[in-house]
Amino acid sequence: DAGVIQSPRHEVTEMGQEVTLRCKPISGHNSLFWYRQTMMRGLELLIYFNNNVPIDDSGMPEDRFSAKMPNASFSTLKIQPSEPRDSAVYFCASSYAGQKNIQYFGAGTRLSVL
Amino acid sequence: KNQVEQSPQSLIILEGKNCTLQCNYTVSPFSNLRWYKQDTGRGPVSLTIMTFSENTKSNGRYTATLDADTKQSSLHITASQLSDSASYICVVRGGGGNKLTFGTGTQLKVEL
Repeated sequence: DAGVIQSPRHEVTEMGQEVTLRCKPISGHNSLFWYRQTMMRGLELLIYFNNNVPIDDSGMPEDRFSAKMPNASFSTLKIQPSEPRDSAVYFCASSYAGQKNIQYFGAGTRLSVL
Repeated sequence: KNQVEQSPQSLIILEGKNCTLQCNYTVSPFSNLRWYKQDTGRGPVSLTIMTFSENTKSNGRYTATLDADTKQSSLHITASQLSDSASYICVVRGGGGNKLTFGTGTQLKVEL
């Protein structure tokens, strides 16, 4: 298995633009997580899905952030409009209850908002 | 408030030496504790996961301990290698909603 696949790896955009981050979880995993990581705050859980359904989005910073999981093999995290303080590395992870819910992380998307 | 605190914040050791990283948490009720290794520019990778009843768990040169009474965990690395240079993140599941609470990590650098 190729693992969790995220795209793009790097994204540079201007303030006010829409940004869409993509994630393909490991096949067979039924939970998907979006995280944000910064030097100041470390890893923060933004939202997670179970069987494609959003379970907890309390970590989503504000209405500018939205996430979707239209099917078991794809999820997006959208920021509209983006702001410089959104600059961070965004990780997607997936897990399977049969594996003690160990989360497998993607390589991340490094977002820079200028 | 559920918190996970790690120490030290950063550490430099010589190759071949041992080191111990600390994790203290206030998460309650406790479900499990995980240690992740994150190489620069990569996503975190799970090293160990420990439940309430487990005191020690090893994964190669990595040994994690858990004292649920004092709410402390440690990650001991034996005979360090250059490839151990990474950030080590302690994550505790528990509290209201059984959520994950992340530490900010210990940045380890192993030098020749």
